[in-house]
Amino acid sequence: GIQVEQSPPDLILQEGANSTLRCNFSDSVNNLQWFHQNPWGQLINLFYIPSGTKQNGRLSATTVATERYSLLYISSSQTTDSGVYFCAGRGSNYQLIWGAGTKLIIKP
Amino acid sequence: DTAVSQTPKYLVTQMGNDKSIKCEQNLGHDTMYWYKQDSKKFLKIMFSYNNKELIINETVPNRFSPKSPDKAHLNLHINSLELGDSAVYFCASSPRTGGYEQYFGPGTRLTVT
Repeated sequence: GIQVEQSPPDLILQEGANSTLRCNFSDSVNNLQWFHQNPWGQLINLFYIPSGTKQNGRLSATTVATERYSLLYISSSQTTDSGVYFCAGRGSNYQLIWGAGTKLIIKP
Repeated sequence: DTAVSQTPKYLVTQMGNDKSIKCEQNLGHDTMYWYKQDSKKFLKIMFSYNNKELIINETVPNRFSPKSPDKAHLNLHINSLELGDSAVYFCASSPRTGGYEQYFGPGTRLTVT
């Protein structure tokens, strides 16, 4: 079955809105990470979050490892937040298992 | 200071040619990776090296050959390029192997005509 599943697949918001992106992962996946791929294709490491909550400016992430999910919160969205957000976790073979991504479009 | 760098950023070439992509990291990490991202944005690992030693070699055609002269460099050589090789190739590094926090290079967009 799917090991890392992200929702929603697409999200269109107005500038200033808040959003929550979700990542569900199976038993064989842990050590969650969140990445942002901007419209220029650059992959940026946002959070390494095996469990608990971390905050970085307008972004924060929470992983509840016992319930096998992680959430990425974006507050007061800006157009520069547009892009694809990926979560990835360590699989049983120690490789990163990637979700399919959430495509976020922030309209001015 | 660029943490993980790749050259070239863009590569356009014809079928049948041989090309190389270079990657360097200045983070002092032990592990480096090559990923391929297709047009649907799906990221697939190709290779992983830990301290110059190959540790992951996914099902990749043997036309692709990685080379790690030292732990700060991981280059990718591709022989006899095919149309299906067109993609964005990302290099990444992590402190050690095992799915720890990874840092990515800017990517190399390869177009095979």
